[in-house]
Amino acid sequence: DTAVSQTPKYLVTQMGNDKSIKCEQNLGHDTMYWYKQDSKKFLKIMFSYNNKELIINETVPNRFSPKSPDKAHLNLHINSLELGDSAVYFCASSRGRTGVDNEQFFGPGTRLTVL
Amino acid sequence: EDKVVQSPLSLVVHEGDTVTLNCSYEVTNFRSLLWYKQEKKAPTFLFMLTSSGIEKKSGRLSSILDKKELFSILNITATQTGDSAVYLCAGSSGTYKYIFGTGTRLKVLA
Repeated sequence: DTAVSQTPKYLVTQMGNDKSIKCEQNLGHDTMYWYKQDSKKFLKIMFSYNNKELIINETVPNRFSPKSPDKAHLNLHINSLELGDSAVYFCASSRGRTGVDNEQFFGPGTRLTVL
Repeated sequence: EDKVVQSPLSLVVHEGDTVTLNCSYEVTNFRSLLWYKQEKKAPTFLFMLTSSGIEKKSGRLSSILDKKELFSILNITATQTGDSAVYLCAGSSGTYKYIFGTGTRLKVLA
């Protein structure tokens, strides 16, 4: 059984396009995250949602808009894609608030390539 | 600004060697330190440390946290080629945030 799943796994698109990445977790977790990992393997948090409420919004361009229709889903929509958006995007979930049983489970990642 | 620094950046060893990976952190409202292993895809959880001086062990891997000196180490004994991966550490803060280090890339040669 897949704990945290993401679709698509690979996404190749042209500059200026709009695309979405979907994430679902079946762990019953309350908190979900989006991370961006660059070519040097540096993982940087973008957003965090707890019970469908946005709790972390790092300095991410407003072309990136997360949406959590329910606790089990956190989608990421990206408008007007730029070359610098090329990266692997990881979704993750954890049981509760940071500092309390906060092991994160990561999805398999979505490799986004912007041409 | 919060930051987590890992060293060394990369390491090449032979099977059977013991390695020590370092992680130092400056995290506001620090709550815990987490270690992950990342092979080809997603990071997988290894340890979560919240208290100083208490070693956590899992097989050949062990880790300890020093909250006074703000660092953690991850030890791997009797390394195997399957240990080759990027090892990430992250500090979690009271603001629902995880700050990751740049990782240590470990390569174990047969």
